[in-house]
Amino acid sequence: EDQVTQSPEALRLQEGESSSLNCSYTVSGLRGLFWYRQDPGKGPEFLFTLYSAGEEKEKERLKATLTKKESFLHITAPKPEDSATYLCAVSNMDSNYQLIWGAGTKLIIKP
Amino acid sequence: EAGVAQSPRYKIIEKRQSVAFWCNPISGHATLYWYQQILGQGPKLLIQFQNNGVVDDSQLPKDRFSAERLKGVDSTLKIQPAKLEDSAVYLCASSLSDSPWKQYFGPGTRLTVT
Repeated sequence: EDQVTQSPEALRLQEGESSSLNCSYTVSGLRGLFWYRQDPGKGPEFLFTLYSAGEEKEKERLKATLTKKESFLHITAPKPEDSATYLCAVSNMDSNYQLIWGAGTKLIIKP
Repeated sequence: EAGVAQSPRYKIIEKRQSVAFWCNPISGHATLYWYQQILGQGPKLLIQFQNNGVVDDSQLPKDRFSAERLKGVDSTLKIQPAKLEDSAVYLCASSLSDSPWKQYFGPGTRLTVT
């Protein structure tokens, strides 16, 4: 069964303190791995797509990387506005890009 | 460009009552999705439309949930009768046909069943 597990459930950092969020996945054949950001009271917002091991994508203070079993979302020198829940999702080769979602990591950046 | 619109934003009903949610996707987006997100969990796909046809409704509890997409644009999701475990946020999303992984979400409807 395809599955996505994210860790930690919650992460509190001081402003400027870099860290990483983990997304472990089990899928029969990976079509793609996707990172989304969700702010309270809002729907998820697309961040990145990763397709193959070794691939990296960057956007401002965020960098996503992919291996054959997991993905990391690295946050460099975060700011309070980076506080949100970060969701990871995968799609397998057999589906029409139907996404299987993890439960998310709630990131809190304290000023 | 305008985003995905959903209404109502909040709804409180008693169990066994019925409720309907409305979604207007981004103009030109052929694919529309309804998700259920329970607090502390990721979204769970309920139904996916391509234009006005159903692509996948395998996780839709069809004994109580129904959805339609009128003329391939707006969509309505209905629950009848509601159960306590239906309390969740119902998210609507849309995407272009050639980039289904890049989904644009509405703000959701928070449903509380008492």
